[in-house]
Amino acid sequence: GAVVSQHPSWVICKSGTSVKIECRSLDFQATTMFWYRQFPKQSLMLMATSNEGSKATYEQGVEKDKFLINHASLTLSTLTVTSAHPEDSSFYICSAPTRGWTEAFFGQGTRLTVV
Amino acid sequence: AQTVTQSQPEMSVQEAETVTLSCTYDTSENNYYLFWYKQPPSRQMILVIRQEAYKQQNATENRFSVNFQKAAKSFSLKISDSQLGDTAMYFCAFMKLRAQKLVFGQGTRLTINP
Repeated sequence: GAVVSQHPSWVICKSGTSVKIECRSLDFQATTMFWYRQFPKQSLMLMATSNEGSKATYEQGVEKDKFLINHASLTLSTLTVTSAHPEDSSFYICSAPTRGWTEAFFGQGTRLTVV
Repeated sequence: AQTVTQSQPEMSVQEAETVTLSCTYDTSENNYYLFWYKQPPSRQMILVIRQEAYKQQNATENRFSVNFQKAAKSFSLKISDSQLGDTAMYFCAFMKLRAQKLVFGQGTRLTINP
């Protein structure tokens, strides 16, 4: 099956610094990828849709300038959390659709802790 | 907007028993997909089963089956002969046709006891 790889699996950063998370589709091309955020013991909330070669589409309430998304190639999307603060600590998950747009495959997730 | 509701925050059963997880959703769409995803302690999201709304037949994957009631907007998951490895969070999810954005329910934490 299709594989989506997310890196890093976990990261600890200091408040005020920026952190980049990568999401790669390993054996297929993904013109669209999705970024979700999951708080402890809660569900996944869609943050934004990453579109290859164009601007990302953000969900209502998500700060575009804080969560920068770049989708520079057909296999890579990145999420950069800028000027991170402790409240940005969370679990971030990316997903990419199959070719037929009938299913989504997920990365392993990234646990971000801002201290 | 679509919403997905899972009314059972936690469930617990003995190994080998059958358990049913509930899910209801709200949409004005006629064609869509419904999913059950499993999230074990590793937090990797794993697809359990998928149902196309235009198909009347309930989907089945080995020990996992669904009861899809389109008119009632209900999509429950039945796990037969439950195993310890089934212990996980289970999320019901909705997707509009070709939208690929998933709307998730709140999740049900399922524990299988030995």
